[in-house]
Amino acid sequence: EVQLVQSGAEVKKPGESLTISCQGSGYSFGTYLIGWVRQVPGKGLEWMGLVNPVDSSTKYSPSFTGQVTISADRSINTAYLQWRSLKASDTAMYYCTIQKASPTGYYYVAYWGLGTLVNVSS
Amino acid sequence: IVLTQSPATLSVSPGERATLSCRASHTITNNLAWYHQRPGEAPRLLFYGASTSATGLPARFNGGGSGTEFTLTITGLQPEDFGLYFCQQYDNWPLTFGQGTKVEVK
Repeated sequence: EVQLVQSGAEVKKPGESLTISCQGSGYSFGTYLIGWVRQVPGKGLEWMGLVNPVDSSTKYSPSFTGQVTISADRSINTAYLQWRSLKASDTAMYYCTIQKASPTGYYYVAYWGLGTLVNVSS
Repeated sequence: IVLTQSPATLSVSPGERATLSCRASHTITNNLAWYHQRPGEAPRLLFYGASTSATGLPARFNGGGSGTEFTLTITGLQPEDFGLYFCQQYDNWPLTFGQGTKVEVK
């Protein structure tokens, strides 16, 4: 069974750094792209970006370019989402996802982790 | 690409039919997915390719459409079907989601 196990909830202060993780199991980690999606409490979903675990290449939404760093370590089946300096507006649930290629070669979100809640407050 | 879902809220009695709409600002052929999210849970894939169902999805769910107009129909709503429904386009980067339709008990 495909599973994405995310790290636990975090409480941070503005200006602090943070890395959250997502470990895949039940499949070969290099088979699928890993993406991250943000959900601000009570709001909709925002796609942030993704990483290819095979070559660590990344693609970001323009809204998140320069704001976060997405990476992966294939040797331990784990992807990461990193902030260098958190802001209060980063308070949200962050979902790790598997993006699969459709028969036409486009990548859709097929599986979701349970989410990591990040609370940034002074 | 902007996805507009309607209605924002749909009040339906158990056993009734619900029809949800998702409109894209530009054509996305059939590169659209639907997700269901219950309170406190992660979203779950229902359809990709507009009409290809996820593994194990009950037959009461139906997805359709292409181009810019898409629909999700649930026939005979069950208690576990209430919650938020999102559409997502994956035709263009960045991927984008609709704002969601809340299906609530009437």
